[in-house]
This record gives sequence, C-alpha cells and structure tokens, in this order.
Amino acid sequence: AQSVTQPDIHITVSEGASLELRCNYSYGATPYLFWYVQSPGQGLQLLLKYFSGDTLVQGIKGFEAEFKRSQSSFNLRKPSVHWSDAAEYFCAVGPNTNAGKSTFGDGTTLTVKP
Amino acid sequence: DAGVTQSPTHLIKTRGQQVTLRCSPKSGHDTVSWYQQALGQGPQFIFQYYEEEERQRGNFPDRFSGHQFPNYSSELNVNALLLGDSALYLCASSQLAGGPTDEQFFGPGTRLTVL
Repeated sequence: AQSVTQPDIHITVSEGASLELRCNYSYGATPYLFWYVQSPGQGLQLLLKYFSGDTLVQGIKGFEAEFKRSQSSFNLRKPSVHWSDAAEYFCAVGPNTNAGKSTFGDGTTLTVKP
Repeated sequence: DAGVTQSPTHLIKTRGQQVTLRCSPKSGHDTVSWYQQALGQGPQFIFQYYEEEERQRGNFPDRFSGHQFPNYSSELNVNALLLGDSALYLCASSQLAGGPTDEQFFGPGTRLTVL
C-alpha cells in the first residue's frame, strides 16, 4: 500500500529565511511524486512533480524538491520565503498524474513571520 | 478560461439527508476526479469519471455515487449523510488523452457540514 508522511504539522519561518518541508513516502513501484499548495478557501495548486530523470526538480514560485530514493524522501525547499508563501503544503505519491488514486500526506502548515 | 468550478461553495445538511455537489471541468478536459478532505487531513480520492463512466474508485462506501454528463461536468451524490461526511469536497479535472503526466487542476471545493 502506498503512503505519505509529512512529519511536520506546522512550521514557522521568518520572511527571507530558507525553508525545507519534509516528505517521506512508501510505494511499491517507481513513484510519481508531487507537491501541492493550498491557500485558505482555495483548491490545490501543483508546485512541482517528479517522474524520472534529474532528481532535483524545479517548480513554480521558486520552489524546488529533491528525490532521494535511498531515503524514500521528496523534500520541498525554497531559499528565501515570502509572506505570500504562508499556506498549507501537501506531498502526494501516485502511479501517475492522471489516475486520481494519488495518496496525499496530511499536510504541513507554513506560517511566515515578518 | 474559468478553470475548474464547483457549486455550491458551502452547504449545511442534517444526518440522513442526501446531497448533490457539482463540478464543471477546465475547458478541454474530459476527466473528473472527486476527493474528500476532512479537517486537518490531506485529500482522499473518492472516484474518477471518464466518458460518463466511473473509471476508478477509492475506499468509499456505496453511499457515495457520481455521474458525468456529456459536457464532461460531474456530480457527486452522498446518501444517508453521517456526521463524518463533513469535509471539503474537491473536484479535479484533467485530460486523459494527455497521458500519465498530464496535470490535474483542482477546483476551490464545496464545504459540506453535516449536523
């Protein structure tokens, strides 16, 4: 069975500081991995995805993530956080993008201090 | 392009009642998936519709049913509502022909409260 663990329920960082959100997954085959962001009252927006190839993937809004197969991790990073990045972040794993059967983690809420 | 739209925005029902939620996919998309997001949790996959048929289903009881119309819009129906059905219901659309890497786009959701 596939599963996703986001160990940090809530993270607070100062504006301009760097950010790393952790994601660990369990999946029996080669995974498709995703990070989504959800702002209050909004649906999910895809930040980035990994299927194969270069293990460091670039996404929108200055985010990047690194796939580490040996650690079953797919951590999200940003070098300098902006106040507008405050939101909830979800990591997900699935067989592909189009099959709805992706499994999501329970999310990490990011608070940005001025 | 309006993106994925859902209606209503909010809904309050009582236990035992039935509810219908609606979703219009992004222009050009033919596949609609529904998710349930309980408070403090990530979304859970309910089912996916393509060509007016249920294509895949998650671990949800038969009280949850759906429909897709010829214009690709979709409805989610929940019968015999339970308190535990209170959640944000998200709709996502994609283009199946786009292949496995085609992105899903999510709507803003319908907040269902069951009293």
